[in-house]
Amino acid sequence: GAVVSQHPSRVICKSGTSVKIECRSLDFQATTMFWYRQFPKQSLMLMATSNEGSKATYEQGVEKDKFLINHASLTLSTLTVTSAHPEDSSFYICSARDRTANEKLFFGSGTQLSVL
Amino acid sequence: GESVGLHLPTLSVQEGDNSIINCAYSNSASDYFIWYKQESGKGPQFIIDIRSNMDKRQGQRVTVLLNKTVKHLSLQIAATQPGDSAVYFCAEKAGFQKLVFGTGTRLLVSP
Repeated sequence: GAVVSQHPSRVICKSGTSVKIECRSLDFQATTMFWYRQFPKQSLMLMATSNEGSKATYEQGVEKDKFLINHASLTLSTLTVTSAHPEDSSFYICSARDRTANEKLFFGSGTQLSVL
Repeated sequence: GESVGLHLPTLSVQEGDNSIINCAYSNSASDYFIWYKQESGKGPQFIIDIRSNMDKRQGQRVTVLLNKTVKHLSLQIAATQPGDSAVYFCAEKAGFQKLVFGTGTRLLVSP
């Protein structure tokens, strides 16, 4: 199947700093990528839909100024958690849709963010 | 057996047994369903999918059953192995709407 690379896999930062997470589709072009957040023992909650060349679409309750998304190319989307606070600590997962594989989503390996 | 509470529902089986993981979906308009496997600290991994015009689909050691009448989806794993231990999520999608994940079930396989 298609490969989605997510980096970094783990990051620890101080409160007030910003953290950037990268999501790359390695062997396919992804016009649409998705960012999810997952708390321990809970399901994946969609945060936003990242569209190549246009603004991201955020889900209700997700602060767009807090979670900046950039999808500048067909293979890369980034999520920046700005001025991170301890409550932002979570597992962040990206996924990408392979246009040649219908609705199938391929997921990155996730990023565990810990804000001290 | 299964347990529901503050934690993820858990299904405990012995190696070699068949496992059945159930999922109730909410949207009667959903026409595409997927099962994902998530190991600790990793992203979800696609297992099998099914469209609403089917009621059964088989893969390697896995079978998905869809009952649209009662909005129920199940994943059957044959000859369960310790490597199958993970959290399993069902997901549903209606047309061009977003994929919605279920709450997940933890599968524990004892050797």
